[in-house]
Amino acid sequence: GEDVEQSLFLSVREGDSSVINCTYTDSSSTYLYWYKQEPGAGLQLLTYIFSNMDMKQDQRLTVLLNKKDKHLSLRIADTQTGDSAIYFCAEKYGPGGGKLIFGQGTELSVKP
Amino acid sequence: GAVVSQHPSWVICKSGTSVKIECRSLDFQATTMFWYRQFPKQSLMLMATSNEGSKATYEQGVEKDKFLINHASLTLSTLTVTSAHPEDSSFYICSARVRQSNQPQHFGDGTRLSIL
Repeated sequence: GEDVEQSLFLSVREGDSSVINCTYTDSSSTYLYWYKQEPGAGLQLLTYIFSNMDMKQDQRLTVLLNKKDKHLSLRIADTQTGDSAIYFCAEKYGPGGGKLIFGQGTELSVKP
Repeated sequence: GAVVSQHPSWVICKSGTSVKIECRSLDFQATTMFWYRQFPKQSLMLMATSNEGSKATYEQGVEKDKFLINHASLTLSTLTVTSAHPEDSSFYICSARVRQSNQPQHFGDGTRLSIL
């Protein structure tokens, strides 16, 4: 079945770039998403990319998609302490593509 | 835009009580809402999908008589945990989406449920 994999932890220094990686299995995925979750809160949509795109940039965020390798990454430029959170990638699946399957989440720790 | 409000944010109650959680889309009409459960340090697990005006579709292994879902309007869905027990303690999160399935899901802030 569908599966989404992420590394569990990433630690960076403030001001550095962070790169969070994700792999997925469903080659028919049309949209892939990045969500941010802060402690005790819900999920905040950061960005998403359509499968016919290779790259999408939105301010400090850059999403790269390699469909051949089924690999998605999120780069955060000039990482700040406020970026510390758990980041989930998700792909659409199910009849009509209405459901989301999430990775395990990557805990990003930003050290001053 | 695309704000989803979830209420209450935290509830503590005794075993055997039924608890209702509300999920509202504040500035858009949500034809589809989703209910998830999240255990500590884990990912989100989809429990059910609800479409306005029709019965919810539950994921395999989720008891529909235990977790009652109602989606009576385009801006409100409710999840009722009936006769809750300590094993039902968890973080419950809803999301909402407009009709077109190519639109993203927007999430509420979650409800922490603690059953004593």
